[in-house]
Amino acid sequence: QSALTQPASVSGSPGQSITISCTGTSSDVGGYNYVSWYQQHPGKAPKLMIYDVSKRPSGVSNRFSGSKSGNTASLTISGLQAEDEADYYCSSYTSSSTLGVFGTGTKVTVL
Amino acid sequence: EVQLVESGGGLVQPGRSLRLSCAASGFTFDDYAMHWVRQAPGKGLEWVSGISWNSGSIGYADSVKGRFTISRDNAKNSLYLQMNSLRAEDTALYYCAKNRGFGFFDAFDIWGQGTMVTVSS
Repeated sequence: QSALTQPASVSGSPGQSITISCTGTSSDVGGYNYVSWYQQHPGKAPKLMIYDVSKRPSGVSNRFSGSKSGNTASLTISGLQAEDEADYYCSSYTSSSTLGVFGTGTKVTVL
Repeated sequence: EVQLVESGGGLVQPGRSLRLSCAASGFTFDDYAMHWVRQAPGKGLEWVSGISWNSGSIGYADSVKGRFTISRDNAKNSLYLQMNSLRAEDTALYYCAKNRGFGFFDAFDIWGQGTMVTVSS
């Protein structure tokens, strides 16, 4: 089971919107709605930002939204803020022998 | 306060064994599946293993299958990972994570701070 494919880096200016893609296959992202997104600041544990493709946990800003089309899921951050600068990972359940898979990770830079 | 605290990491020689523990508090431990996720230095996240609330369903990443064993003790609110035949590529920060929903695998809403495992001679 290969990792889900994410762009290595995405950048934007404060106030702008950015979108991070997460491409898998019909055995993972395309086949199930168990897609989640995590934010990780340096030296910190990951934090759940989106689950079940598009749902936000309590306490997560509504500037974060998720969606899916076919085998590609996306995380959009609107109204970009300096505190959003971090690494972001997608994850999905998979029907392969490895039950779970993460994305390759995307470094978000706020210019 | 909802909390997961990992322990048991350290420096170990290739081929040796190590047992990680994760102590849970602040939630009903035996209601949820639990998982181990690791992160090699400077690298991304990798799902390692998961176990359902009653240990009836267990899964492993292909990279650790046959070498690692996950288990839990609901009476002690604890999760474990027995790691045998360790390799240099197992060097990573190992996180314990709680499954968000009542299923086996959907998302990880609570994470520990991790315990570092270094495999080196």
